[in-house]
Amino acid sequence: GENVEQHPSTLSVQEGDSAVIKCTYSDSASNYFPWYKQELGKGPQLIIDIRSNVGEKKDQRIAVTLNKTAKHFSLHITETQPEDSAVYFCAASVYGQNFVFGPGTRLSVLP
Amino acid sequence: GAVVSQHPSWVICKSGTSVKIECRSLDFQATTMFWYRQFPKQSLMLMATSNEGSKATYEQGVEKDKFLINHASLTLSTLTVTSAHPEDSSFYICSARGRDSSYEQYFGPGTRLTVT
Repeated sequence: GENVEQHPSTLSVQEGDSAVIKCTYSDSASNYFPWYKQELGKGPQLIIDIRSNVGEKKDQRIAVTLNKTAKHFSLHITETQPEDSAVYFCAASVYGQNFVFGPGTRLSVLP
Repeated sequence: GAVVSQHPSWVICKSGTSVKIECRSLDFQATTMFWYRQFPKQSLMLMATSNEGSKATYEQGVEKDKFLINHASLTLSTLTVTSAHPEDSSFYICSARGRDSSYEQYFGPGTRLTVT
């Protein structure tokens, strides 16, 4: 079955700096890769996603890149703000079925 | 758009009792709903997938007789934890996928279950 690894497990950046979180997956059939932000005591919020027919997608300060050959995808957050502090999860799935989540990255943005 | 609610947001029950958690899609019809479990500082683990009007499909290791899932309508799914034990204490989160959003899943706010 699918296995998703995520690094780093914790990340601290200064406000205004960029943050990068990387995930690798094992199942070459996976074709949908969402990223979720989870704040303490709340459910995950979809922030960006990418499908396997696209190499990069951007939405304001957030971007995701996908390397299908290497089976890894990354989340890039630019101009970080304190409200970006949360736990971020990547996931991989085949056609949106059976999401397999990474273990999460705790991002702290220091003012 | 794509709002999912859960009720209750937290519940405390005694060991041996059953508790029901509701998951509703508020502004779209959810053809598929998913139930996840999350332990503190850990990732989300898929428990089961349910399609409206069909029996739920459970992941390996999840007891279907203990975690009863009903997806009776396009906007409501329920998870009943039967004969709860302290080890069932966890954060339960549902997600929903609409007929128009082919891949995206939208998550509810979660329900914190504590079994004493």
